Amino acid sequence: SQELEQSPQSLIVQEGKNLTINCTSSKTLYGLYWYKQKYGEGLIFLMMLQKGGEEKSHEKITAKLDEKKQQSSLHITASQPSHAGIYLCGADNTGGTSYGKLTFGQGTILTVHP
Amino acid sequence: SAVISQKPSRDICQRGTSLTIQCQVDSQVTMMFWYRQQPGQSLTLIATANQGSEATYESGFVIDKFPISRPNLTFSTLTVSNMSPEDSSIYLCSARTGKSGYGYTFGSGTRLTVV
Repeated sequence: SQELEQSPQSLIVQEGKNLTINCTSSKTLYGLYWYKQKYGEGLIFLMMLQKGGEEKSHEKITAKLDEKKQQSSLHITASQPSHAGIYLCGADNTGGTSYGKLTFGQGTILTVHP
Repeated sequence: SAVISQKPSRDICQRGTSLTIQCQVDSQVTMMFWYRQQPGQSLTLIATANQGSEATYESGFVIDKFPISRPNLTFSTLTVSNMSPEDSSIYLCSARTGKSGYGYTFGSGTRLTVV
């Protein structure tokens, strides 16, 4: 079965700093999803990447799927306290044949100090 | 307004009892999914719920413990039966919706504590 490893496991940054979270898969990624979770709450959809080399941005968050489709990175520019939370990557490794069978990484806990 | 409404948001239950969690989607979806997130852990898929057929359970999860209903294309329930403290987790429902670019949208989660 597919495994996703996120790094770092936790990150503490000062407000205004840039940061990157990585998600590495043991298998080819057919769909890679980034979510943000506030403690004890549901998941907020951030972005979905499907094509090798694809890059998407929303406000100050940029995500990229590498050409070999086994790693994705999430980059936050000029971090703010509102960016704090748990970032999760989720992957569909079934080639789209089994919608919903997402495997998730263990999450990266982001703390942003004002 | 929320795309997926989930309730209750949290509950504290006595061991041996059951809790039913509801999810309402604001559009018709073919499949809905139920996940469990144990304390400090990531999400694990419990089952996939299709309308008009029995749910498909992942390894380690059984229908007697987690019965699921899917009466129509916008609604599903998950029951956590005969609860024990080990069932204390966040339970989340999910569906693939166009509002997230056909990504997977999640409900707000149900935080369950079993005492």
